[in-house]
Amino acid sequence: DQQVKQNSPSLSVQEGRISILNCDYTNSMFDYFLWYKKYPAEGPTFLISISSIKDKNEDGRFTVFLNKSAKHLSLHIVPSQPGDSAVYFCAANLDRGSTLGRLYFGRGTQLTVWP
Amino acid sequence: GAVVSQHPSRVICKSGTSVKIECRSLDFQATTMFWYRQFPKQSLMLMATSNEGSKATYEQGVEKDKFLINHASLTLSTLTVTSAHPEDSSFYICSARSGTGYYNEQFFGPGTRLTVL
Repeated sequence: DQQVKQNSPSLSVQEGRISILNCDYTNSMFDYFLWYKKYPAEGPTFLISISSIKDKNEDGRFTVFLNKSAKHLSLHIVPSQPGDSAVYFCAANLDRGSTLGRLYFGRGTQLTVWP
Repeated sequence: GAVVSQHPSRVICKSGTSVKIECRSLDFQATTMFWYRQFPKQSLMLMATSNEGSKATYEQGVEKDKFLINHASLTLSTLTVTSAHPEDSSFYICSARSGTGYYNEQFFGPGTRLTVL
């Protein structure tokens, strides 16, 4: 049962334009969301996160938006750069109040930024 | 930043043999380590959570007798795939988490590609 869904396996964007990666979730108990970036043959690296009490978090070129009523979040990258080309994973944290930090991952979206 | 290493990065073994994968936190003490498995074009699926000095907690459907996890120190966790079969071929990734704060970040290792012939 995939509780975190990334329905677009790939996205291609021209350099300088905006990249929008989408993520949907089904479990309303998720209260913390994260985006990870992954290059081939490397482990995921943390990119940006958002708590369920917020609807937007911004860090440089990266902004994450959360729409709790729609159970949807998105990652905006602007302007996109060729070095952003990677697989982006959306993840959600379920363990409210727990120290375990269990994460549920989507299947990832391959972003390709072309010159 | 925090670094997590995995060894080996790639392993090929015969069916029926056992394979050990190491996960090390190089510059911090990891109170909790997680083991994930990723099949091609699939998400990272959590297999188990291990806390230093205690038994691992396995996710539903993961055979604890097949996937042995040892977290003997604050910087090392091992995953042993016993009596490996071709269906165990996958990409195994560990992550490590320091402290006990709720939003403590997980740092991921580079992964280990296991191929069972």
